[in-house]
Amino acid sequence: EAEVAQSPRYKITEKSQAVAFWCDPISGHATLYWYRQILGQGPELLVQFQDESVVDDSQLPKDRFSAERLKGVDSTLKIQPAELGDSAMYLCASSLFGLAGKDTQYFGPGTRLTVL
Amino acid sequence: AQRVTQPEKLLSVFKGAPVELKCNYSYSGSPELFWYVQYSRQRLQLLLRHISRESIKGFTADLNKGETSFHLKKPFAQEEDSAMYYCALSLNSGGSNYKLTFGKGTLLTVNP
Repeated sequence: EAEVAQSPRYKITEKSQAVAFWCDPISGHATLYWYRQILGQGPELLVQFQDESVVDDSQLPKDRFSAERLKGVDSTLKIQPAELGDSAMYLCASSLFGLAGKDTQYFGPGTRLTVL
Repeated sequence: AQRVTQPEKLLSVFKGAPVELKCNYSYSGSPELFWYVQYSRQRLQLLLRHISRESIKGFTADLNKGETSFHLKKPFAQEEDSAMYYCALSLNSGGSNYKLTFGKGTLLTVNP
């Protein structure tokens, strides 16, 4: 069964360093989501792509975070510079169309980021 | 503002007992609601969606628009139901695209 892949699974970095996370969605899924999940909270959407276009990045801290999905397939999320408050689980998800109620989001295993 | 509230962070029941995980939402439009589950060391996955009106693994959830609730219920809990449960609300993110807003989750423990 096809799954969403993410790497790395764990990342430890120092404050002010740059980090990057990679996500490969299920083949054929047009919609890709990046979520941040702080300990004790539910996932919070950072950015949503429809193919290669950003549909929603209203919660993305654009001064330090960037995301791209150049060919409409895999995606990279970058943080530069990392801050202590960025320590969290970063989840990637994909869905076939991104339609409410009719579409299932499939989640990757996540990348656990620790900023020291 | 659109919001999903799960009032219980932790819920502990005994095997065979009924279980109800509460979810309340705040949304001015016609809501589409979901329950996602994360078992230990597994990925977050869809459990059920209200639009399907289905029962998955013995769980059901009914949308009550009057009380703005979407509680998850199971008449007889099993140990394998122990997991983190998230209620989620689907919101339009532009055009025909939608995104999920999650509650903070409830950790269910079913004791033997």
